[in-house]
Amino acid sequence: RKEVEQDPGPFNVPEGATVAFNCTYSNSASQSFFWYRQDCRKEPKLLMSVYSSGNEDGRFTAQLNRASQYISLLIRDSKLSDSATYLCVVNPTDNYGQNFVFGPGTRLSVLP
Amino acid sequence: NAGVMQNPRHLVRRRGQEARLRCSPMKGHSHVYWYRQLPEEGLKFMVYLQKENIIDESGMPKERFSAEFPKEGPSILRIQQVVRGDSAAYFCASLQGTSGNTIYFGEGSWLTVV
Repeated sequence: RKEVEQDPGPFNVPEGATVAFNCTYSNSASQSFFWYRQDCRKEPKLLMSVYSSGNEDGRFTAQLNRASQYISLLIRDSKLSDSATYLCVVNPTDNYGQNFVFGPGTRLSVLP
Repeated sequence: NAGVMQNPRHLVRRRGQEARLRCSPMKGHSHVYWYRQLPEEGLKFMVYLQKENIIDESGMPKERFSAEFPKEGPSILRIQQVVRGDSAAYFCASLQGTSGNTIYFGEGSWLTVV
């Protein structure tokens, strides 16, 4: 089983749609979780950290379920500019010093 | 731009030549990660370094690849005797190290081997 797995995608949705991405991780000791966004031929950029209580940033909501080792990202009212690949990232420890494991990414295309 | 700086942004090498990629972390960051991204694939961890130390190189190919982060100057990822399969984007990321747990990426170095 891979350390971090994501929905394979691609997701093609119309503008204004709500879309949800799922991510599972294998290391139950993982402590820190993130969603990054990567545009074509660009570097990954932090979208949001994921907290145990869940967190929201505008149209984006992230949830963490430690028991199921599952992370989700919900995008509401999607915009054309949301088209990108979304990367789930897991850090096995709360301390610095461990590598950050990236999922393979889920590609989103928002269509006019 | 006080972010992670990588150079060169684009590099073309003939098979058998050497490629050197440089990365200067964000100001105040003492930890550097290198990732490789092959075309149409995900990011793969290569190596994690602190100043003058390699902490985790479990993702580095056993031959031809090496990395360093000297006391002074940028981190260097060195690829000797490049082959076509080394063509990829190489991303560097930095971490503050003491209180931060979020990594920030440079714009990447695109290596093309011809």
